[in-house]
Amino acid sequence: AIQMTQSPSSLSASVGDRVTITCRASQDIRSDLGWYQQEPGKAPKLLIYAASNLQSGVPSRFSGSGSGTDFTLTISSLQPEDFATYYCLQDYSYPFAFGQGTKVEIK
Amino acid sequence: EVQLVESGGVLVQPGGSLRVSCAASGFTFSSQWMNWVRQAPGKGLEWVANIKEDGSEKNYVDSVKGRFAISRDNAKNSLYLEMNSLRVEDTAVYFCVRDLVFGGRYSVFDYWGQGTLVTVSS
Repeated sequence: AIQMTQSPSSLSASVGDRVTITCRASQDIRSDLGWYQQEPGKAPKLLIYAASNLQSGVPSRFSGSGSGTDFTLTISSLQPEDFATYYCLQDYSYPFAFGQGTKVEIK
Repeated sequence: EVQLVESGGVLVQPGGSLRVSCAASGFTFSSQWMNWVRQAPGKGLEWVANIKEDGSEKNYVDSVKGRFAISRDNAKNSLYLEMNSLRVEDTAVYFCVRDLVFGGRYSVFDYWGQGTLVTVSS
């Protein structure tokens, strides 16, 4: 099974900061990766699919990049509503697998 | 408006069985792959299983193979997860998730239900 490793597991940042979260796959997954945001007590929300495609309605400050084994989610200017936990998901092969999550907290 | 509403989560003893359901509306249910994703209390997300539009293909995470069964009833716009031989570690919120499957290849988990809590405890 493919393992997904996210880093960091948590980070503290201020409003307006540029934030980068990385996800590494244990083997080549082409561009078969999505990014999801989860606020406490809520269902996850899709941000990015196919590594770099922004989901409709998601602010343009979110972007995704990468292919193969290394992927990045970037928030260009952190907003108050972005404080949440972020997960990557590989959908290249079964079983699909999420990363362990990155919690973005207020500094 | 797309809606996914889970139900059936309860407290069950280890070794017991349970079926959780998901009622779908606002889209053509029979045209979409569907998934179950779970989240143990205070933990991360775990993909559990998925099922093809017509039910002809099903996939599972290793930890539930042989114990859980995903199914669907397209006439009732409903998704199910039959869980047997439940373990304490199966305790989680179970989310019903639509998969848009972009370009025939990429999974796009675009709509999620609010989840139903399954607690396995003696």
